[in-house]
Amino acid sequence: DADVTQTPRNRITKTGKRIMLECSQTKGHDRMYWYRQDPGLGLRLIYYSFDVKDINKGEISDGYSVSRQAQAKFSLSLESAIPNQTALYFCATSDPGQGGPQHFGDGTRLSIL
Amino acid sequence: GDSVTQMEGPVTLSEEAFLTINCTYTATGYPSLFWYVQYPGEGLQLLLKATKADDKGSNKGFEATYRKETTSFHLEKGSVQVSDSAVYFCALKGGSNYKLTFGKGTLLTVNP
Repeated sequence: DADVTQTPRNRITKTGKRIMLECSQTKGHDRMYWYRQDPGLGLRLIYYSFDVKDINKGEISDGYSVSRQAQAKFSLSLESAIPNQTALYFCATSDPGQGGPQHFGDGTRLSIL
Repeated sequence: GDSVTQMEGPVTLSEEAFLTINCTYTATGYPSLFWYVQYPGEGLQLLLKATKADDKGSNKGFEATYRKETTSFHLEKGSVQVSDSAVYFCALKGGSNYKLTFGKGTLLTVNP
């Protein structure tokens, strides 16, 4: 089983709909992240969480919200989806060390019509 | 703020060719440096890392050396295979110790 699991893997929806992307991890890490990937732009950080009670905005949080339901679960919501939120979304986890890498899920491909 | 600049692709090579993907960075202090690889339809996987100057990260035949004097972390492989076709991302974790700053990625295609 994957250490970081994202659901759904693909989603097509309409403008104005509320969308929730889910992420669960079995690595036991306190730190979790949500990124979006757009062609030619690399990955950009949306939100991050150091533990269940510590949630922070990243560089592109507008239009998104998150919920950390447990150490192992971190959900990303689009309250009212718009077409420019069409992207590939990744969840990641890490341990707190300076040299600690982030571990990524396989991504959710989201298309908003 | 922190930033990563990597060579733009796409890069197309023949099997067994030598690969270099350039990566330079701007950061305060002493960041940790990473190369990630993304195969089609998959998430990012850590390829290698280096945490201090002159460290060499290596994995699966790929290497990169942390050069503080040139603020670089170039990825190299002596003989690429078709299975190396993927997008490669250079990244750094700076003084904030939580945020990974990514380059824009380089698409590598290896032809048989």
